[in-house]
Amino acid sequence: AQSVTQLDSQVPVFEEAPVELRCNYSSSVSVYLFWYVQYPNQGLQLLLKYLSGSTLVKGINGFEAEFNKSQTSFHLRKPSVHISDTAEYFCASSGGSYIPTFGRGTSLIVHP
Amino acid sequence: GAGVSQSPSNKVTEKGKDVELRCDPISGHTALYWYRQSLGQGLEFLIYFQGNSAPDKSGLPSDRFSAERTGGSVSTLTIQRTQQEDSAVYLCASSFIAGRSSYEQYFGPGTRLTVT
Repeated sequence: AQSVTQLDSQVPVFEEAPVELRCNYSSSVSVYLFWYVQYPNQGLQLLLKYLSGSTLVKGINGFEAEFNKSQTSFHLRKPSVHISDTAEYFCASSGGSYIPTFGRGTSLIVHP
Repeated sequence: GAGVSQSPSNKVTEKGKDVELRCDPISGHTALYWYRQSLGQGLEFLIYFQGNSAPDKSGLPSDRFSAERTGGSVSTLTIQRTQQEDSAVYLCASSFIAGRSSYEQYFGPGTRLTVT
């Protein structure tokens, strides 16, 4: 069975600082990997995805993630965060199953 | 194009009443999912529909929960005899399927259910 682990439940950071949200997955088959963002009182929105090809994936709002097969990781990064990036972030994997597996989420809190 | 829509956006009901939640997926998406998200929690998978296949109901928490998808499009999630622990945001998502994997999901805004 697949599993997705988001290592931090909450990440506080100051505005304009860099941030990394960590995600590790386990799968015995090829995986598709996703990061979603959920702003308060909204549904989830796709930030970026890895299906194949280049291991560095760029998404919306200046976020990027790197697929590392040897470390089974897909960490999300942004070089300079903004107050508006405050939200819940979910990592998910899909591979060999029609039902994606989601992590428990990481709350990014950006302080002025 | 139009995204996933859900109705109602908010529903307040009395304990013991039945409720119906509706989801309109993106046209052409064969896969449809229902999730539940309790306050401050992650996503809890409820049920999955794919084309004309039998749905995967493995996530439904009790037999008070049921769902159907008509004509491969609109889906309705029904909760009978609602309990206070059913209070949550119910999210619907749709996607394409490739082989044995799901591509990215597109989520609706959710229905916030409050059982009093």
